[in-house]
Amino acid sequence: EVQLVQSGAEVKKPGDSLKISCMGSGYIFPSYWIGWVRQMPGKGLEWVAIIYPGDSDTRYSPSFQGRVTISADKSIRTAYLQWSSLKASDTALYYCARLDNSGYRFDQWGQGTLVIVSS
Amino acid sequence: EVVLTQSPGTLSLSPGERATLSCRASQSVSSNYLAWYQQKPGQAPRLLIYGASTRATGIPDRFSGSGSETDFTLTISRLEPEDFAVYFCQQYGRSPTMYTFGQGTKVDIK
Repeated sequence: EVQLVQSGAEVKKPGDSLKISCMGSGYIFPSYWIGWVRQMPGKGLEWVAIIYPGDSDTRYSPSFQGRVTISADKSIRTAYLQWSSLKASDTALYYCARLDNSGYRFDQWGQGTLVIVSS
Repeated sequence: EVVLTQSPGTLSLSPGERATLSCRASQSVSSNYLAWYQQKPGQAPRLLIYGASTRATGIPDRFSGSGSETDFTLTISRLEPEDFAVYFCQQYGRSPTMYTFGQGTKVDIK
């Protein structure tokens, strides 16, 4: 069974750094693109970035480029999303999600990581 | 950049009724690149339909997708209690790579 298990909720202050994680199991982790999707409170879904763990190739949404960094460690089947300086507007639920073989849609999702940024 | 507009924002229906959800693209989208997701409160989204009309694994046949170019539709033939949720359409764009979601349609109980 394919599973994506994300790290727990985080409460941070503006200006803090943060790295959240997503561990994949039940499939060949290096062979599938995996990414992050943001959902702000009561809002819709926004694609953030994707990475191919096999060679660490990355793609970013223009809306998030420069604000976050996606990475992966294929040896431990884990993808990451990190911020160097959080803002209150980063408060949201962040889902990791795997792209299927076509690369056109997200076929498996993690449970979500809630990030709260507040002074 | 393609913008996806979903309508209506909220659909109030009773169990057993038919639900018709619309997703309109600001420019033509390949059917291969159009997907639908269901999200229930407190849960992650779940892939329902891909390639505009193909049901994902384990999705009941009361869910169907159709459409092409700029107009796509998700139909739930007879609403079950577990179908009351928010539905999102999503498209893939290449050059540059982009994944765009519609704003969602909430199907709630009348």
